[in-house]
Amino acid sequence: AQKVTQAQTEISVVEKEDVTLDCVYETRDTTYYLFWYKQPPSGELVFLIRRNSFDEQNEISGRYSWNFQKSTSSFNFTITASQVVDSAVYFCALPSFGAGGTSYGKLTFGQGTILTVHP
Amino acid sequence: DTGVSQDPRHKITKRGQNVTFRCDPISEHNRLYWYRQTLGQGPEFLTYFQNEAQLEKSRLLSDRFSAERPKGSFSTLEIQRTEQGDSAMYLCASSSWMWATDTQYFGPGTRLTVL
Repeated sequence: AQKVTQAQTEISVVEKEDVTLDCVYETRDTTYYLFWYKQPPSGELVFLIRRNSFDEQNEISGRYSWNFQKSTSSFNFTITASQVVDSAVYFCALPSFGAGGTSYGKLTFGQGTILTVHP
Repeated sequence: DTGVSQDPRHKITKRGQNVTFRCDPISEHNRLYWYRQTLGQGPEFLTYFQNEAQLEKSRLLSDRFSAERPKGSFSTLEIQRTEQGDSAMYLCASSSWMWATDTQYFGPGTRLTVL
């Protein structure tokens, strides 16, 4: 069964600090995808990034970057120069191969990391 | 392009009553998912549809829960004989699945409180 662990329950930083959110996953699939979502106080889950397992190249997109390492089953997410608007709950998620085995479907989420950015 | 919408946004009901939630996916998205989220937890999968077909149901979905997606457009989630343990945020997501995997886009959720 898929499993996602976000060991950091809460992180508090001051604006402009860099912050890294950890995610460790378990899967028996040989190829898979990983996602990060953000849930601001309004409650709506917002898609941030998606990576596939056959591409371990780390990337940067604006203030966001991610570090994917298959050897340690980790998919960490970094926000550079954090801002107050980054305050939210961040979820790492792993899709499961759906019933019938034809495609990925449901997402398994971690418990989330509450990020608070203070001015 | 409008996002996923859900109605109502909040629902307060008494134990034993039936409730129904509606989800309108992003136009032309062929997949629609339902999740449940309780306080301090990540969302948990309930069920999903590809077009009209319900492809998978979680064991969390007891026989008091039923979901439909007639004509492959909007979906409804009904809970019969609600219990206090059903209090949660019910999230809907839609995606355009074409190959291998999809990116799910979520609606604002329906918060259910069972008194």
